[in-house]
Amino acid sequence: AQSVSQHNHHVILSEAASLELGCNYSYGGTVNLFWYVQYPGQHLQLLLKYFSGDPLVKGIKGFEAEFIKSKFSFNLRKPSVQWSDTAEYFCAVNTNAGKSTFGDGTTLTVKP
Amino acid sequence: KAGVTQTPRYLIKTRGQQVTLSCSPISGHRSVSWYQQTPGQGLQFLFEYFSETQRNKGNFPGRFSGRQFSNSRSEMNVSTLELGDSALYLCASSVDGMNTEAFFGQGTRLTVV
Repeated sequence: AQSVSQHNHHVILSEAASLELGCNYSYGGTVNLFWYVQYPGQHLQLLLKYFSGDPLVKGIKGFEAEFIKSKFSFNLRKPSVQWSDTAEYFCAVNTNAGKSTFGDGTTLTVKP
Repeated sequence: KAGVTQTPRYLIKTRGQQVTLSCSPISGHRSVSWYQQTPGQGLQFLFEYFSETQRNKGNFPGRFSGRQFSNSRSEMNVSTLELGDSALYLCASSVDGMNTEAFFGQGTRLTVV
């Protein structure tokens, strides 16, 4: 069965610090990969996605993620975080079977 | 265009009762997925419907069921509610459920007392 592991449960950073959130998945076949964000009091929304092509994908608000197939990883990065990035971040894997599996989420707190 | 709409937003039920939650997907989206979100378990996949057929199912007991109508609207039903069913239930719609992104609704907060 597919699974998604997010290594950091809670990350605390100061503004302007760089961010990297880890995501690893286990599935032997073709996958589509996503990062979703949930701001306080709001619904889940897509940050970025990878289906195929360039393994470095750019999303909204300056976020990017790199798909490393050999490591089964899809880490999320941002060079300089802002207070408004405080949210919960979810990595998700969607296989061709049409089923999405989410990681447990990482809570990011950015101190002003 | 209108987003994914879930009703009701909040529900309080008693143990043993049953509940039905509704999800209206974005127009043109044929795939609807349901998730249970709890602080301890994160987002757990319940099931996915596509063109009125359940295409995928997660590891939840048979008390959790769903259906999809010809207009792609979906309902989720939970029978014989247990305290542990208290959670935020999220619905997500996408064009095909596989190669397109999912759009989430605000969720229905179910509290079982």
